[in-house]
Amino acid sequence: DTEVTQTPKHLVMGMTNKKSLKCEQHMGHRAMYWYKQKAKKPPELMFVYSYEKLSINESVPSRFSPECPNSSLLNLHLHALQPEDSALYLCASSRGTGPGANVLTFGAGSRLTVL
Amino acid sequence: GDSVTQMEGPVTLSEEAFLTINCTYTATGYPSLFWYVQYPGEGLQLLLKATKADDKGSNKGFEATYRKETTSFHLEKGSVQVSDSAVYFCALSDNNAGNMLTFGGGTRLMVKP
Repeated sequence: DTEVTQTPKHLVMGMTNKKSLKCEQHMGHRAMYWYKQKAKKPPELMFVYSYEKLSINESVPSRFSPECPNSSLLNLHLHALQPEDSALYLCASSRGTGPGANVLTFGAGSRLTVL
Repeated sequence: GDSVTQMEGPVTLSEEAFLTINCTYTATGYPSLFWYVQYPGEGLQLLLKATKADDKGSNKGFEATYRKETTSFHLEKGSVQVSDSAVYFCALSDNNAGNMLTFGGGTRLMVKP
């Protein structure tokens, strides 16, 4: 299995809703990532988990809350989002974060629309 | 800090034309270099990589050579197909800076029949 699976593919939510994005990989990778991608822009790093511990938080607002329940799963909990948070959210994984181990495998993304 | 600069698109070519997408970088240390491709409605896929100077990455007819003297990693393909239409991202990973990826702005390629 060489895939990163993200669900749901599309999500529409109101500003008062609470929802979650889910990501799963079964490649034995020990690093997992959340990226945000706006239209016609490159992905922007949000969070990095290494060995199930949060290692990087790129000053992301607290309305985004990541969770790594185990080495195969990564969630992004969403609460009180703003319309400008509408974007494609990409999950990725890699063998590790060290030199030579950091080639990322990306999921297809979850397209989020905040009304 | 690290940065990656790509030629702005869109690049529009006819099928079987030669493709070059320019990429230059600025980094401390000795980065690894990557090209990722994003097809419409999908996530990013690794296209090719090079980890040291003069390495050539290649895949699916695409090639890029790591040129330390010109700090470049230009993507080339001898004969593009309609199915190559996508957005191409050049990226680097600085082995001295936590190995996080720094992306260029992306170049949209449109190939017409």
